[in-house]
Amino acid sequence: GQNIDQPTEMTATEGAIVQINCTYQTSGFNGLFWYQQHAGEAPTFLSYNVLDGLEEKGRFSSFLSRSKGYSYLLLKELQMKDSASYLCAVRDSNYQLIWGAGTKLIIKP
Amino acid sequence: GAVVSQHPSWVICKSGTSVKIECRSLDFQATTMFWYRQFPKQSLMLMATSNEGSKATYEQGVEKDKFLINHASLTLSTLTVTSAHPEDSSFYICSARDVRGVGNQPQHFGDGTRLSIL
Repeated sequence: GQNIDQPTEMTATEGAIVQINCTYQTSGFNGLFWYQQHAGEAPTFLSYNVLDGLEEKGRFSSFLSRSKGYSYLLLKELQMKDSASYLCAVRDSNYQLIWGAGTKLIIKP
Repeated sequence: GAVVSQHPSWVICKSGTSVKIECRSLDFQATTMFWYRQFPKQSLMLMATSNEGSKATYEQGVEKDKFLINHASLTLSTLTVTSAHPEDSSFYICSARDVRGVGNQPQHFGDGTRLSIL
C-alpha cells in the first residue's frame, strides 16, 4: 500500500530552526509537495521537489532523496505565525496526490 | 495566480437539510476537481475525484448517494450533502487541477466550507 509518515506534533522556539521529516512509500513518484495549513483554513502551497537536493525559498527550504524515500522541510528564523500544520504529499504514478497526516508545529516565545 | 472560489464558507442548518457547496476555478479551466473532508485535528481525507462531464469517482467508504457531485463545466463543480446529519459536520475543501498541465503545483485549493448540522 501507499504510505506517508511524518511526526504528529513538534514544538520549537521563536527565532530557532526546525526540521520536519517525511518518509514515503508510494506507487511511483512524480514529485513531493509541502503545504502549510492554519487551523480552520485550506492548505497553502509551500514547496515542490521532483529531483534530489535542496530547494530554498526564503525562510523555508525543502530537501528530497528519492533513493531513500525521504524529504524534510526546514523552517528558519521561526515566527509565531509559523504555528500551523505542515502537510507532506506525494504525487504517484497516476498523478494522484497521496497525503500525509500532517505535522502540527507549535511555536513558543 | 490560479484562484479557486468556494461558497459558502460557513453553513449552519438543521438535521435533514440538504446543503450544496460550489467550487469554481476563476482564471483557469479545471478538468479535474477534488473534494476533501477534514475533521478537527485530522488530516485531509479525499472524498471523491470529479471529472468534467463524467461521473465522480468516490473513495472507499464515501456514500455516493449522500454526497452528490456534479461537474458540469470546466470551471464549476458542486457537492451536495443530502439529508445532512450532525455526523456530517466537518470542514469540506475543494481543489482544482489546471487543464494546461500538471505543473509544479498540482492542486489549487478553495478556502473551504465549514458545515455545522444542528
